[in-house]
Amino acid sequence: GAVVSQHPSRVICKSGTSVKIECRSLDFQATTMFWYRQFPKQSLMLMATSNEGSKATYEQGVEKDKFLINHASLTLSTLTVTSAHPEDSSFYICSVQGIGNTIYFGEGSWLTVV
Amino acid sequence: LAKTTQPVSMDSYEGQEVNITCSHNNIATNDYITWYQQFPSQGPRFIIQGYKTKVTNEVASLFIPADRKSSTLSLPRVSLSDTAVYYCLVGLNQAGTALIFGKGTTLSVSS
Repeated sequence: GAVVSQHPSRVICKSGTSVKIECRSLDFQATTMFWYRQFPKQSLMLMATSNEGSKATYEQGVEKDKFLINHASLTLSTLTVTSAHPEDSSFYICSVQGIGNTIYFGEGSWLTVV
Repeated sequence: LAKTTQPVSMDSYEGQEVNITCSHNNIATNDYITWYQQFPSQGPRFIIQGYKTKVTNEVASLFIPADRKSSTLSLPRVSLSDTAVYYCLVGLNQAGTALIFGKGTTLSVSS
């Protein structure tokens, strides 16, 4: 499989500030990583596909200037929530496509904007 | 993308076998069927993947009929720790292709 680690697991930030979430593939070089968002009691919603060395591909309705994704290496992708607002509070999960194209998920990061 | 339909919730008791069926009537020829398990405040965990017939691993079995329009995840002898949300996903097993999640089935296991 693939071991995926996210950091931080929980973060609280003030409204209007920016926060960065890291996603690391610990044992697999990931050309592609995916970012999801999940609100309580709801399913996962795909936000964007992160491609190493190129711009991310965002899903319809996801603001690329608000959710900045950087995939600078084969083991690290970052999601920066800019000018965060309380409605951005959510569970953010990244995933990596591993051996056999099976997708493995990180532990998730809880963001609370106050 | 093939749409999937699963029961919203299921209840079971410890030690029982649980079968969760997923409908995917418009599955494409090259689509695979993948199941994930998710506990609260954790990322989904891969359970099993198949294309046709039957697949078995150490935690579950996946039954896929010949027409592939449905699939059944079978969990043998569930325990309290199997209480979770189970997602059935259908899509290409291809590099760069993301998984699109449906609503999932909440399984509650009681003692």
